[in-house]
Amino acid sequence: NAGVTQTPKFQVLKTGQSMTLQCAQDMNHEYMSWYRQDPGMGLRLIHYSVGAGITDQGEVPNGYNVSRSTTEDFPLRLLSAAPSQTSVYFCASSDGGAGRYEQYFGPGTRLTVT
Amino acid sequence: GENVEQHPSTLSVQEGDSAVIKCTYSDSASNYFPWYKQELGKRPQLIIDIRSNVGEKKDQRIAVTLNKTAKHFSLHITETQPEDSAVYFCAASMDQPGNQFYFGTGTSLTVIP
Repeated sequence: NAGVTQTPKFQVLKTGQSMTLQCAQDMNHEYMSWYRQDPGMGLRLIHYSVGAGITDQGEVPNGYNVSRSTTEDFPLRLLSAAPSQTSVYFCASSDGGAGRYEQYFGPGTRLTVT
Repeated sequence: GENVEQHPSTLSVQEGDSAVIKCTYSDSASNYFPWYKQELGKRPQLIIDIRSNVGEKKDQRIAVTLNKTAKHFSLHITETQPEDSAVYFCAASMDQPGNQFYFGTGTSLTVIP
């Protein structure tokens, strides 16, 4: 199993540009999440999904959209990039079955907005 | 929502000494508390977790304690080694499907050989 994969690994955007960060998992996990990691602020939840067709907002959703059309994929869209969105983005998935809540993280995408 | 505070933000110890990282949480409904280790440039990985029906859990050199009354939990690493150097994150969640995780701000641990 590849686990959780993310593309791209690095990205530089200009202010106002849009892009999609890709996330996929091959563990048949129901639950997927997007976090951003900023120095001194830990991991903050952007959006999450409890299954195909179901998404919800986390702690810092503004400026981001998500969709979950399949169990495997959970892309994150930046609508109009801003320098405040410079961060490292992690996608995570978890089984969600009884007692199985460990989150498996992808390798991350380092995004710089100039 | 839940608020998780983590201390200290940085910690340096001599190899062989113990390291302790502490977290507090605000929501008494939280009952699942994982700890993640993140090496430089890598993804966070689960190292140990504890549920609220347990006061302590050990796995070799790593242990976690939980005081539900005081709403705090701690990570203890004994006989530290250079490979323990990393950033450690605590988190709090409810032990149920679709739970959200709330992370602490991280502790950067350096083990000095």
